Amino acid sequence: QLQLQESGPGLVKPSETLSLTCTVSGGSISSSSHHWGWIRQPPGKGLEWIGSIYYSGITYYNPSLKSRVTISVDTSKNQFSLKLSSVTAADTAVYYCARAGDYGILTAYNPLRDYYYYGMDVWGQGTTVTVSS
Amino acid sequence: DSQMTQSPSSLSASVGDRVTITCRTSQSISNYLNWYQQKPGKAPKLLIYAASSLQSGVPSRFSGSGSGTDFTLTISSLQPEDFATYYCQQSYSTPLTFGGGTKVEIK
Repeated sequence: QLQLQESGPGLVKPSETLSLTCTVSGGSISSSSHHWGWIRQPPGKGLEWIGSIYYSGITYYNPSLKSRVTISVDTSKNQFSLKLSSVTAADTAVYYCARAGDYGILTAYNPLRDYYYYGMDVWGQGTTVTVSS
Repeated sequence: DSQMTQSPSSLSASVGDRVTITCRTSQSISNYLNWYQQKPGKAPKLLIYAASSLQSGVPSRFSGSGSGTDFTLTISSLQPEDFATYYCQQSYSTPLTFGGGTKVEIK
């Protein structure tokens, strides 16, 4: 059974860089059928998509965060990572990693919508990151 | 960006009630619409994908409908475990966006 687990510091100082890793177990991140994404949720608020990566390294970012976000993948470790620079208190949130796609996607490098058409079916438990000095 | 408007933002209902939540998008997204359930302190759970397809393992009392700009999530007979917050999410264009959520509370 595929599982995702976020890890990283729970406290980050303003202006510094938030770094999180999502470890995939029970399956391969190198699946041609799936995309891997980051989503966050500020306290008491709704969900915000941060960005997504394919095992080949193709990335998509939310324009509202694009200048500060980097998502990368390490297929040898079955992990993907998030870096968010120049953080402020507004970046305080629960950060989730999630998988999107379907094993029925048999060709590689489909448009992003083809993967998220099937929704995000596996999520990590989430990790709380607080930005504070 | 495709704006997502969910209504109502909250509702009170009793066990056994039929509950309907709507999601309207600012532009047509065909059927690229997913629904999630989130309980306090937990990650969202996928209920419905492609507007009307039931995710594996999700009870059949959940159903989705709609296309274009107007979508509906229906719970045919509300159960105690269904009290949660529900979100719609469009997957047609980037940035992927979520509705503001509908909190379903016990009456």
